[in-house]
Amino acid sequence: ELKVEQNPLFLSMQEGKNYTIYCNYSTTSDRLYWYRQDPGKSLESLFVLLSNGAVKQEGRLMASLDTKARLSTLHITAAVHDLSATYFCAVWEGGGADGLTFGKGTHLIIQP
Amino acid sequence: DGGITQSPKYLFRKEGQNVTLSCEQNLNHDAMYWYRQDPGQGLRLIYYSQIVNDFQKGDIAEGYSVSREKKESFPLTVTSAQKNPTAFYLCASRSNRDRGINEQFFGPGTRLTVL
Repeated sequence: ELKVEQNPLFLSMQEGKNYTIYCNYSTTSDRLYWYRQDPGKSLESLFVLLSNGAVKQEGRLMASLDTKARLSTLHITAAVHDLSATYFCAVWEGGGADGLTFGKGTHLIIQP
Repeated sequence: DGGITQSPKYLFRKEGQNVTLSCEQNLNHDAMYWYRQDPGQGLRLIYYSQIVNDFQKGDIAEGYSVSREKKESFPLTVTSAQKNPTAFYLCASRSNRDRGINEQFFGPGTRLTVL
């Protein structure tokens, strides 16, 4: 059974600081996705990582994937208040099964 | 505008009642999915369908049923057999023509409360 673990689950940080969210998963996969969720809202796709060593960047967010370590990171550079949200990583296991397995999410609060 | 719509946005149910949540997409996507989200938790897969008239159970299918009679529609019925149905329900879809990217796009969600 595929397990996806995120840490930390809760993060409070100040504007201007850098931080990294980690996503570990338990089985072989080369399909990893990061989503953002605002309170009471649906999920917005941020990054799709499709191979070992993949790196994607959008604004102050950068995501990477190491399939050998079964680890993805979401790095936040010089955080701003607008990035406050819950961030989820999700893994597609494949092999005949469909659907994504999600981590529990990282609730990020960025304080002025 | 292309997208995924879910209705209703909020739904209240009495214990013992079946309710049906609607999910429609006009993206011409092939696969559709239902997930459940509980407070402070990630999403868990209930059912998915890769083609019309076919669907598969996900991790937490007990107490739920689905149909896929049309490509654009994938309704979810929450039956009285579901012991704890209060949750946020999200529908998603993806295209089979995305060259293996398998990116799923989500609807706005339905918040179901059992009274």
